[in-house]
Amino acid sequence: DTGVSQNPRHKITKRGQNVTFRCDPISEHNRLYWYRQTLGQGPEFLTYFQNEAQLEKSRLLSDRFSAERPKGSFSTLEIQRTEQGDSAMYLCASSLRSGRGYEQYFGPGTRLTVT
Amino acid sequence: GQQLNQSPQSMFIQEGEDVSMNCTSSSIFNTWLWYKQDPGEGPVLLIALYKAGELTSNGRLTAQFGITRKDSFLNISASIPSDVGIYFCAGQTNYGGATNKLIFGTGTLLAVQP
Repeated sequence: DTGVSQNPRHKITKRGQNVTFRCDPISEHNRLYWYRQTLGQGPEFLTYFQNEAQLEKSRLLSDRFSAERPKGSFSTLEIQRTEQGDSAMYLCASSLRSGRGYEQYFGPGTRLTVT
Repeated sequence: GQQLNQSPQSMFIQEGEDVSMNCTSSSIFNTWLWYKQDPGEGPVLLIALYKAGELTSNGRLTAQFGITRKDSFLNISASIPSDVGIYFCAGQTNYGGATNKLIFGTGTLLAVQP
């Protein structure tokens, strides 16, 4: 059983460029989450998909951010016109209802550096 | 964004010592989870708690769901060097229609000296 995978692991981009990250959840997990983590902080929720439907977006997700999950499998997170404040670790997690709840399993993250 | 209060912020201990950390919230959660994160990696799930008062163990780790549903505790017994990392608590609300998003604590950095 493979875990959550994310690509790329690291991305360095210049301010103003667009970037796209990919997340492949654990197979058959119908719920997928994106979080952002800055240095010294815990992860913060960005958005949530149940199958292919995006059901919640945080106020942290500005108009420059867009996420998709076509066909309810992998997901992409795109940031347009990147700013230095976008530099962070972007984490993806997936979950499926177990006997007791929805335990979330995280991928290794994508570290974004905007110069 | 909202973050839960986690203490202590950091701990520097000798190998073999026991460790305790806790997490408090102003809101009620019906699930508490504890994760460990190594530098440059994603959080790894250690323990999940689903009922107020529940005490659950995973090897040398023991976690408790506070009876007020606003706090949780994690204990590590007989620490070893590979316990080094940042420990995060996370609260979750599970009910019909909820997103089940996680609200994380501020983290506890654990350093273990051999």
